[in-house]
Amino acid sequence: SQKIEQNSEALNIQEGKTATLTCNYTNYSPAYLQWYRQDPGRGPVFLLLIRENEKEKRKERLKVTFDTTLKQSLFHITASQPADSATYLCALGGSGGYNKLIFGAGTRLAVHP
Amino acid sequence: NAGVMQNPRHLVRRRGQEARLRCSPMKGHSHVYWYRQLPEEGLKFMVYLQKENIIDESGMPKERFSAEFPKEGPSILRIQQVVRGDSAAYFCASSRGAVLETQYFGPGTRLLVL
Repeated sequence: SQKIEQNSEALNIQEGKTATLTCNYTNYSPAYLQWYRQDPGRGPVFLLLIRENEKEKRKERLKVTFDTTLKQSLFHITASQPADSATYLCALGGSGGYNKLIFGAGTRLAVHP
Repeated sequence: NAGVMQNPRHLVRRRGQEARLRCSPMKGHSHVYWYRQLPEEGLKFMVYLQKENIIDESGMPKERFSAEFPKEGPSILRIQQVVRGDSAAYFCASSRGAVLETQYFGPGTRLLVL
């Protein structure tokens, strides 16, 4: 069955450092992959979308890579800030030609001053 | 431009009652998705609707759950005869198109079944 794995343990880093989150998947061939941010008690907020034929995408301090051979995506936040503390969700989509998303359980990031 | 709206934000029901969750998509969006999130778990797809049509309900329990997206008005997720295991956060998302389109999520409805 389709499976998405994200670091289950919280990631603790110091302010100013780069946070790197991992998303691995099996038994799936997504057309694209998305990263969302979720704060406690709130809905997911879209951050970045990367297509299967794209290797890397950037947006301000965020960078996403997508390796369809390794079946892995890496999500980087450079110059991290305490305000970046949240849970980050990886989601795969595009199978069947429409937008049904398969989500990972998320990784909690804590950035300490 | 308002985002995806969901109401109520919190809903408390006793076992056996009905729960109705509403979702108004973003303006210009005709595709609606419902997801369920249990504590410490990822979001699980339930159903995908386009105006007046259910496109994919493969993630929806066969009994007690139903969804609609009428021509006019919000999308409704209906849970009949709720049980404690239905307690979860239910999120609605909308997108403009069906392929390679970003889904924008609402704030969710937190259902608690007593």
